[in-house]
Amino acid sequence: NAGVMQNPRHLVRRRGQEARLRCSPMKGHSHVYWYRQLPEEGLKFMVYLQKENIIDESGMPKERFSAEFPKEGPSILRIQQVVRGDSAAYFCASSPPSSNTQYFGPGTRLTVL
Amino acid sequence: GIQVEQSPPDLILQEGANSTLRCNFSDSVNNLQWFHQNPWGQLINLFYIPSGTKQNGRLSATTVATERYSLLYISSSQTTDSGVYFCAVRRETSGSRLTFGEGTQLTVNP
Repeated sequence: NAGVMQNPRHLVRRRGQEARLRCSPMKGHSHVYWYRQLPEEGLKFMVYLQKENIIDESGMPKERFSAEFPKEGPSILRIQQVVRGDSAAYFCASSPPSSNTQYFGPGTRLTVL
Repeated sequence: GIQVEQSPPDLILQEGANSTLRCNFSDSVNNLQWFHQNPWGQLINLFYIPSGTKQNGRLSATTVATERYSLLYISSSQTTDSGVYFCAVRRETSGSRLTFGEGTQLTVNP
């Protein structure tokens, strides 16, 4: 059973461009979470999604950030008009419906030039 | 929101030494996980331990939920144990998010 997959692993964008981060949860997992880790800090919750629904987006910036988890395909975290402060590692986690344990992917390291 | 405090913030050991890392949290939780973030940035699940004691090889963890703390024990440390250890909790009363502590940076020297 493959783990949580994230791609790309590294992403470089110039200020003003768009960044798209993808997350494929573990097989059988219908819950997806996104977290952000700024340099030298712990992880901070951004958004929690189930298939086709955003359950909790209270940790996500109100502007430029959006997330989706369609019926088919991976979850996408989209950052529009990136700024240098968006440079961070973005981690995705998944869990099955009946479990509290979250399993983390390898992360996407976004660098904004 | 819930507060998660980890101690010590930094720890330097010689190979073979034992250590104890602590995680205090400010509210009732129904999920507590310990993670190891290795020097390449990968986040590795160590334990899911909302209460009780678990052991996995040289690592063990104990959570005393009524007193709101958890301990991670590392015995006979190896250089590959180096990295940051995070404790993360899910508050019992609301939501599904994990709240992370700031981590303990462990360096094991040969």
